[in-house]
Amino acid sequence: DAGVIQSPRHEVTEMGQEVTLRCKPISGHNSLFWYRQTMMRGLELLIYFNNNVPIDDSGMPEDRFSAKMPNASFSTLKIQPSEPRDSAVYFCASSPRAGNGYTFGSGTRLTVV
Amino acid sequence: SQQGEEDPQALSIQEGENATMNCSYKTSINNLQWYRQNSGRGLVHLILIRSNEREKHSGRLRVTLDTSKKSSSLLITASRAADTASYFCATDEGGTYKYIFGTGTRLKVLA
Repeated sequence: DAGVIQSPRHEVTEMGQEVTLRCKPISGHNSLFWYRQTMMRGLELLIYFNNNVPIDDSGMPEDRFSAKMPNASFSTLKIQPSEPRDSAVYFCASSPRAGNGYTFGSGTRLTVV
Repeated sequence: SQQGEEDPQALSIQEGENATMNCSYKTSINNLQWYRQNSGRGLVHLILIRSNEREKHSGRLRVTLDTSKKSSSLLITASRAADTASYFCATDEGGTYKYIFGTGTRLKVLA
């Protein structure tokens, strides 16, 4: 089992550019979560999918952020346009179902300059 | 505000000593989880304790839960340098799927 796979590991982009982060959850896991981690705010839940359907996106900071899960094995988090304050480590996590332990990916470190 | 608050924020101990970290939360929960994060890495799930459990063990880890005080503790016995990491508690806010992570305790184990 390769675990939760995120790509890219690092992304450096200029302000105003579109950024797409990718996640492949563990096969058979029905729940998928996107988190953002910063020193100031810690770990913040951005969005939660269950069976590919977005259940709660109340943590998405603003309309510049969007997430999709077109199938059970792939999810994207897009930021358009990106801003320096979006710089953070973005984690994807999956779980067999909500309420179980999560398996986290290694994260994408995003730097917007 | 954070659902879970860990205490202390940082802890430095000698190898072989025990490390105790505490977590307090605000709402009712179904379960509480502890995670470890090594520097620059993702979080690793350590242990889950359900609201009807008071204590749980996994190897050198011991977790307690006091729902009346809305608090949990994580004890690492006979610590090793490899235990150096940040430790987070996560609670399901109001008993929902929504897990909120605390601010973490940075543990440093000196060899």
